[in-house]
Amino acid sequence: QITLKESGPTLVNPTQTLTLTCTFSGFSLTISGVGVGWIRQPPGKALEWLALIFWDDDKRYHPSLKSRLTITKDTSKNQVVLTMTSMDPVDTATYYCAHNSYYCTSTSCYNPWAFDIWGQGTMVTVSS
Amino acid sequence: QSALTQPRSVSGSPGQSVTISCTGTSSDVGGYNYVSWYQQHPGKAPKLMIYDVTKRPSGVPDRFSGSKSGNTASMTISGLQAEDEADYYCSSYAGRYTLLFGGGTKLTVL
Repeated sequence: QITLKESGPTLVNPTQTLTLTCTFSGFSLTISGVGVGWIRQPPGKALEWLALIFWDDDKRYHPSLKSRLTITKDTSKNQVVLTMTSMDPVDTATYYCAHNSYYCTSTSCYNPWAFDIWGQGTMVTVSS
Repeated sequence: QSALTQPRSVSGSPGQSVTISCTGTSSDVGGYNYVSWYQQHPGKAPKLMIYDVTKRPSGVPDRFSGSKSGNTASMTISGLQAEDEADYYCSSYAGRYTLLFGGGTKLTVL
């Protein structure tokens, strides 16, 4: 059974750096085709994809936020960490981590860019 | 890159069918068959309902179906049930290793 859980501060001051940890179980980020992503959702608003890290340490970021984001993994701890710099009140949101994996047919494997298992989310408020 | 366009709300009576649209461009929805749909109940995490435009993960009822025509993807829920009342989000691969979500649609079961 795959589970993920986000952890981190609930309150961050403007201009500070946010560090969130996703601790997962039921899969390994050392296995080919596996990825973990981060998605956020401001209160009452839509989902926004932030970043995705793959088993081979390939990292992908939302183009508009790329300069502020860093995603890393610690396979020994089954954790993925997201850091976001220069936090602003508009970054107030629930932050989710989620499992992603390649799908394989008889001839090839591909990433459907879908997140099949999500953590419960962690609410982060940016305010002084 | 702009968010995908979804109707803000749709509604239907129990037993009826409803369709939620998700409009993008030829650079995202129209260019790839990597459209997914998520269901989100209040205060809960999203749940994957459809991926690859038409495929359902294990455990998702076959009342949920997906399709795509041009730059618009759609998800249809047939035989509406009270438990289907939720927010629904589409997403699409947008090339260059990026993902876009839609603005979300609130489904009300009358």
